[in-house]
Amino acid sequence: QKEVEQDPGPLSVPEGAIVSLNCTYSNSAFQYFMWYRQYSRKGPELLMYTYSSGNKEDGRFTAQVDKSSKYISLFIRDSQPSDSATYLCAISQGGSEKLVFGKGTKLTVNP
Amino acid sequence: NAGVMQNPRHLVRRRGQEARLRCSPMKGHSHVYWYRQLPEEGLKFMVYLQKENIIDESGMPKERFSAEFPKEGPSILRIQQVVRGDSAAYFCASSLETGTGIQYFGAGTRLSVL
Repeated sequence: QKEVEQDPGPLSVPEGAIVSLNCTYSNSAFQYFMWYRQYSRKGPELLMYTYSSGNKEDGRFTAQVDKSSKYISLFIRDSQPSDSATYLCAISQGGSEKLVFGKGTKLTVNP
Repeated sequence: NAGVMQNPRHLVRRRGQEARLRCSPMKGHSHVYWYRQLPEEGLKFMVYLQKENIIDESGMPKERFSAEFPKEGPSILRIQQVVRGDSAAYFCASSLETGTGIQYFGAGTRLSVL
């Protein structure tokens, strides 16, 4: 079983739609949960960070963590064409600085 | 405030040559990480360094790959005798502190081996 599983998509939605992106993980020792956005041929950009179960909101973005189910989500409200990118979940374990990434979900928002 | 700087952005090498990838962390950051992204694959951790020390190299291939972060100057990822399978995007990240998982990434170096 892989440490982090993420559906690679691709996912295509119309402008204004609500987007839901998800990852599951296998190691209950993971403590820190990140979402990165990566535009084509660019480096990953940190979008959201959380370390506890529950929701964290930042503008149109909401990160959700359910440690009991080992499940993390990123919701994008009122999606825009500029949100078209690959979204990567990343998880780390306390005591280790290594980030474990999902494969990424490629999102296209159509105008 | 400049972000993580990587150079070159693109590097072409022939099989058997050496590749040197450079990374300057964000100002004030003393923790540097290298990741590799193969086509259709996610980012994979390679190595974590602090100034003059390798802290975790559990993701580094056992041969041909080395990394350093000297007291002065950028961090260097060195690949000797490159093979076609080394073709990938190599990303450097840096962090201000440890224990949070928060890392900031550079734009990457895309290595192509002919």
